[in-house]
Amino acid sequence: DGGITQSPKYLFRKEGQNVTLSCEQNLNHDAMYWYRQDPGQGLRLIYYSQIVNDFQKGDIAEGYSVSREKKESFPLTVTSAQKNPTAFYLCASLGGANQPQHFGDGTRLSIL
Amino acid sequence: AQSVAQPEDQVNVAEGNPLTVKCTYSVSGNPYLFWYVQYPNRGLQFLLKYITGDNLVKGSYGFEAEFNKSQTSFHLKKPSALVSDSALYFCAVSPVGGSARQLTFGSGTQLTVLP
Repeated sequence: DGGITQSPKYLFRKEGQNVTLSCEQNLNHDAMYWYRQDPGQGLRLIYYSQIVNDFQKGDIAEGYSVSREKKESFPLTVTSAQKNPTAFYLCASLGGANQPQHFGDGTRLSIL
Repeated sequence: AQSVAQPEDQVNVAEGNPLTVKCTYSVSGNPYLFWYVQYPNRGLQFLLKYITGDNLVKGSYGFEAEFNKSQTSFHLKKPSALVSDSALYFCAVSPVGGSARQLTFGSGTQLTVLP
């Protein structure tokens, strides 16, 4: 089945540590997105990529970094500069202008 | 800038009764409108979308939504609620022709269907 796989499902970060969240899709979609979800705030866009080797900052990019070396993969690194990283992180992809975004099942990040 | 308002954080309805989850939006030009549902510790699942055409849109699991341009609303409805419909619902908007089809999400409405 085609879809988006996020791993790990749960992740813990120590003080001063960078952690990387994985997002892989086999939908052959060009565009991919990372969102952060906090209770009562909906989803906020961190980064997005329309094509391989290109990505743009979203509304809350500070303290995060991404890469897009392959069409299928869009990993997100939460750096030590992100002082409040505890949240649910969702990856999505988009196949066409009139289509809905498809979402993975998320990674829940907590601070140790 | 585009925005979405979901004025109710929580909606409770009895099983078998009709349900409505409200959404209003603000966008420059014509909108693409979406409804998603989220179950605990899961990603968002697509329910339905409005792109153009009929103002009444039918989607998955018996849900429908009505696009009202004059009121800038896109309320989600279902004629008869099920306990299994209990979940978090998100409305989202994107301007037609917008950059990378960026979606702006509302803050979500928790629907509880009481048996």
